[in-house]
Amino acid sequence: GAVVSQHPSRVICKSGTSVKIECRSLDFQATTMFWYRQFPKQSLMLMATSNEGSKATYEQGVEKDKFLINHASLTLSTLTVTSAHPEDSSFYICSAQGNYGYTFGSGTRLTVV
Amino acid sequence: GQQVMQIPQYQHVQEGEDFTTYCNSSTTLSNIQWYKQRPGGHPVFLIQLVKSGEVKKQKRLTFQFGEAKKNSSLHITATQTTDVGTYFCAGDANTGNQFYFGTGTSLTVIP
Repeated sequence: GAVVSQHPSRVICKSGTSVKIECRSLDFQATTMFWYRQFPKQSLMLMATSNEGSKATYEQGVEKDKFLINHASLTLSTLTVTSAHPEDSSFYICSAQGNYGYTFGSGTRLTVV
Repeated sequence: GQQVMQIPQYQHVQEGEDFTTYCNSSTTLSNIQWYKQRPGGHPVFLIQLVKSGEVKKQKRLTFQFGEAKKNSSLHITATQTTDVGTYFCAGDANTGNQFYFGTGTSLTVIP
């Protein structure tokens, strides 16, 4: 089956620093990947759609300069949270579309202190 | 914007009882997906429905897509403790495959 690897699984960073999250499709190519954010006991909120070789499409209310997305290859998309603040603390999950449907990464728990 | 609501938000059932969660969209959907998220885990894709009125089954799980393609349901027959988790529907109103998640239904199964 399709596997999506997401790293790191947990990260604690100081306020004002940047954090990069990687999402890799291990055994399939994903021309499109999606980035979601999930607050405790809430649903997943789509942040942006990441397209290989082009600029990401951001959802309304998501700051593109704060959440930088790069989809450099068919198997890798990265999300960089720039100048992180405590309110950015959340669970970030990527998803990739493949032949088996949509596969999610295991998520990244970001804590900004 | 597109809104996808689910009811109920929480459901406690005795093991062996049936369970149903309903998903309603403010707009017509091109397709709908269902996911299961165990506590502390990530969403796992269950199924995708595309056709109006479509019904699909996976063992004890039955998925329906409404005739108007604005609602969907997931029914579990004879729940087991392994069914515990939060079930999300995710709908896409366009062809861009941008899925918006419903609010989720948290299922607790009492042994």
